[in-house]
Amino acid sequence: AQKVTQAQTEISVVEKEDVTLDCVYETRDTTYYLFWYKQPPSGELVFLIRRNSFDEQNEISGRYSWNFQKSTSSFNFTITASQVVDSAVYFCALSEARNTDKLIFGTGTRLQVFP
Amino acid sequence: GAGVSQTPSNKVTEKGKYVELRCDPISGHTALYWYRQSLGQGPEFLIYFQGTGAADDSGLPNDRFFAVRPEGSVSTLKIQRTERGDSAVYLCASSLAGVDSPLHFGNGTRLTVT
Repeated sequence: AQKVTQAQTEISVVEKEDVTLDCVYETRDTTYYLFWYKQPPSGELVFLIRRNSFDEQNEISGRYSWNFQKSTSSFNFTITASQVVDSAVYFCALSEARNTDKLIFGTGTRLQVFP
Repeated sequence: GAGVSQTPSNKVTEKGKYVELRCDPISGHTALYWYRQSLGQGPEFLIYFQGTGAADDSGLPNDRFFAVRPEGSVSTLKIQRTERGDSAVYLCASSLAGVDSPLHFGNGTRLTVT
C-alpha cells in the first residue's frame, strides 16, 4: 500500500538556522512521483517541487534543497538560513504512475521560525 | 491572474442539512480535484474531474457526497444529510493537464457541522 510518513509533527528554529524536514514513503510501484507543498496560515497549499522516481539527482532552488534517496525511500527537504516567512505547515506527497491523479499526503510538519 | 476560488470560505450547518461548496478553477485548467483536510491531517483525495466527467471518484467516503462539473469549469461538491464527522476544510485544486502539471489549490471552505 502507498503511504507517506512525516514523523516530525512540529519543529521550532530561530531565524538563520538550517532545518531539515523528513519524508519517508512507501509504494509498490517502480514509477512514482514525490511532491512537497507549503501551507501558510492562509490555508492555500503552494506547490514547491515534483520529482519522479527515476531522477535521484538532488535539487536546489535558492534556500531550498531536496534530497531524494530511493535506498531509504526518503525525500527530505532542507531550508537553509530559515526566515520567519518560512513558518508554515509543509506536506510531502506521493502519486503512483498507475494512478497519477491522486496525491497521497503525509500528515505534515509544522515549522515555526522565530526571529 | 486569478487563482482557484472557493466559496463560501466558511460554512456552518446543522446536522442533517444539505450543503453545496463551490470551486472556480483557474481559467483554462481542464483538471479539477477535490480534497478534504481534517484538523492536523494532510489533505485526502475525494474526486478528480477531467473536463466535465469524473475520472476518479474513489475517494468519496459514501453516497452522501456527490460532485458535478457540468460545463467543464466550475465544480460543486454536494453533501447530503451532513454529519458532524463531515466537518473539515474542503480544498479544491486545478491543473492544466492532470498531475503532470502542478496542482494549484484554493484557500478551501471550512465546513462545520453542529
